[in-house]
Amino acid sequence: NAGVTQTPKFQVLKTGQSMTLQCAQDMNHNSMYWYRQDPGMGLRLIYYSASEGTTDKGEVPNGYNVSRLNKREFSLRLESAAPSQTSVYFCASSEIPGGFGSPLHFGNGTRLTVT
Amino acid sequence: GENVEQHPSTLSVQEGDSAVIKCTYSDSASNYFPWYKQELGKGPQLIIDIRSNVGEKKDQRIAVTLNKTAKHFSLHITETQPEDSAVYFCAALQDFKTIFGAGTRLFVKA
Repeated sequence: NAGVTQTPKFQVLKTGQSMTLQCAQDMNHNSMYWYRQDPGMGLRLIYYSASEGTTDKGEVPNGYNVSRLNKREFSLRLESAAPSQTSVYFCASSEIPGGFGSPLHFGNGTRLTVT
Repeated sequence: GENVEQHPSTLSVQEGDSAVIKCTYSDSASNYFPWYKQELGKGPQLIIDIRSNVGEKKDQRIAVTLNKTAKHFSLHITETQPEDSAVYFCAALQDFKTIFGAGTRLFVKA
């Protein structure tokens, strides 16, 4: 049982380049999330998808787009990377959307550096 | 929106001592409060959670307390061991969004 799988594990981009971070879960969870983690700032929510076919902005959506491709997969796209987007990106999933108290299951992250 | 503050940012204890991490939240509509442990190079993992209709929950050496009136909740780890060394995050759930505190780096000295 793989849980939440993220690819790639590491990536270096130049300013202005684009890339897509991939995430897939095999737990049949309804909701999926993208977070970024920066030193001293915890994890901040970028975008989330409460259920297949829906996406919504989180705390820090600027500069990102997402696609919920199907129930299993949720991708994060950087159209024009900036140094401020250097971070560790985590994908997560949960069984039940939002307010019913379902814990998040995280992948092991993508470490992105933008030069 | 929800805001979660977490203290301390760093905590160092001797093996066998207790560790306490405290968090406050701002949105009274928040109803679910999970705690996550993150080891180096990995994603956070749930260690314990509490819902707003419960005041305290315990799982072996770990306990969490919730004070809804004061809007604060705490993690207590007893009889700490070196393998407890990690970064711990508190979080609060409001609507579909889980909002995290900034994290506490716990060092347990053998």
